[in-house]
Amino acid sequence: EAQVTQNPRYLITVTGKKLTVTCSQNMNHEYMSWYRQDPGLGLRQIYYSMNVEVTDKGDVPEGYKVSRKEKRNFPLILESPSPNQTSLYFCASAVQGRSYGYTFGSGTRLTVV
Amino acid sequence: AQTVTQSQPEMSVQEAETVTLSCTYDTSENNYYLFWYKQPPSRQMILVIRQEAYKQQNATENRFSVNFQKAAKSFSLKISDSQLGDTAMYFCAFMKRSYGNKLVFGAGTILRVKS
Repeated sequence: EAQVTQNPRYLITVTGKKLTVTCSQNMNHEYMSWYRQDPGLGLRQIYYSMNVEVTDKGDVPEGYKVSRKEKRNFPLILESPSPNQTSLYFCASAVQGRSYGYTFGSGTRLTVV
Repeated sequence: AQTVTQSQPEMSVQEAETVTLSCTYDTSENNYYLFWYKQPPSRQMILVIRQEAYKQQNATENRFSVNFQKAAKSFSLKISDSQLGDTAMYFCAFMKRSYGNKLVFGAGTILRVKS
């Protein structure tokens, strides 16, 4: 089954404790992206990658890091999480340059206390 | 920069009736795509319908159709014969055709279908 697998689904952590949210896709998509969803703001892009070793900032990159060492994986790293990073996070992938829209992961609900 | 505005934070509709969700956007681009995504309580993001800006014909997918007004930069979603399973958050989204795959989302509209 074609899918984007995101883990964990729920995560509660403390301020300053490094964490990684994993994302993997099995569709050989070049394009991958991370979004955060907040009430009243919709989804906003954090980082994106157009292929292996090619990543770039989205609209809200502060406090986040990503890497793209393999085509299928695109982890999101929070080196020192803060409460304002409490949010719902989505990973998504797409065929580069095509308009079919994204395939989304199932989301990660992160709470930073 | 592109912006997408959904002016209705919440809406409700009776089962079997028709409801229209509004979306406006701002862009200087001429070639682009517009989408409606559905997010049910399971929070999965599901593509409902897609419109290519260079096509004048409005897209339809079963009970879902759009009213695309390019000059007015308006892209509303009509849901006919509403069903309880249509209860969800609906997001309107914009994508430039010229570069990459970045989706710009509106704030969303919560739709509740009542029995």
